[in-house]
Amino acid sequence: NAGVTQTPKFQVLKTGQSMTLQCAQDMNHNSMYWYRQDPGMGLRLIYYSASEGTTDKGEVPNGYNVSRLNKREFSLRLESAAPSQTSVYFCASTKNRAGGSNEQFFGPGTRLTVL
Amino acid sequence: RKEVEQDPGPFNVPEGATVAFNCTYSNSASQSFFWYRQDCRKEPKLLMSVYSSGNEDGRFTAQLNRASQYISLLIRDSKLSDSATYLCVVYPRGNQFYFGTGTSLTVIP
Repeated sequence: NAGVTQTPKFQVLKTGQSMTLQCAQDMNHNSMYWYRQDPGMGLRLIYYSASEGTTDKGEVPNGYNVSRLNKREFSLRLESAAPSQTSVYFCASTKNRAGGSNEQFFGPGTRLTVL
Repeated sequence: RKEVEQDPGPFNVPEGATVAFNCTYSNSASQSFFWYRQDCRKEPKLLMSVYSSGNEDGRFTAQLNRASQYISLLIRDSKLSDSATYLCVVYPRGNQFYFGTGTSLTVIP
């Protein structure tokens, strides 16, 4: 049981390049999330997927797209990277039980630098 | 107004000290509350959920005050290994979680 996995762990891009961050969970969770974490800003939600087949914008969606490929996988795409997207990106998942504990489990993060 | 606000610290305390963190939230309809711990350059991990009646886990005690819309975390007998950033997390409704910016704690020998 690997929990939440993310690839790659590190990435350096040039302005204008594109890339996809991959995330997968093996806990049969319904909901998945993409966050970015910047110094002094805390974790900010980019996009989330409440269940397979649905995606919704979070607080900072501009410049990103997502795909919930199946229940396990949720990818984040940067179509044209900008220096402002330099950040640490975390994927997370939760069972999303109504009335129950909704602990989020996080992947190890992707450290992205855009030059 | 931010959904969740925390004092960023830093808190520098000696080993064995008691330290308390507070966090306020803006949505009175919030359902669930959590404290997460984040070590340097690592992912956040759940420290404890916060229940209305308050709850304790060893040296850690979490309290919720719905009337004043704040949650607290008390750490007794601080250890060097407690040094980390502590994140307050609120689950207002729907499917989104809101994170505070984190409070940095350093326990000094």
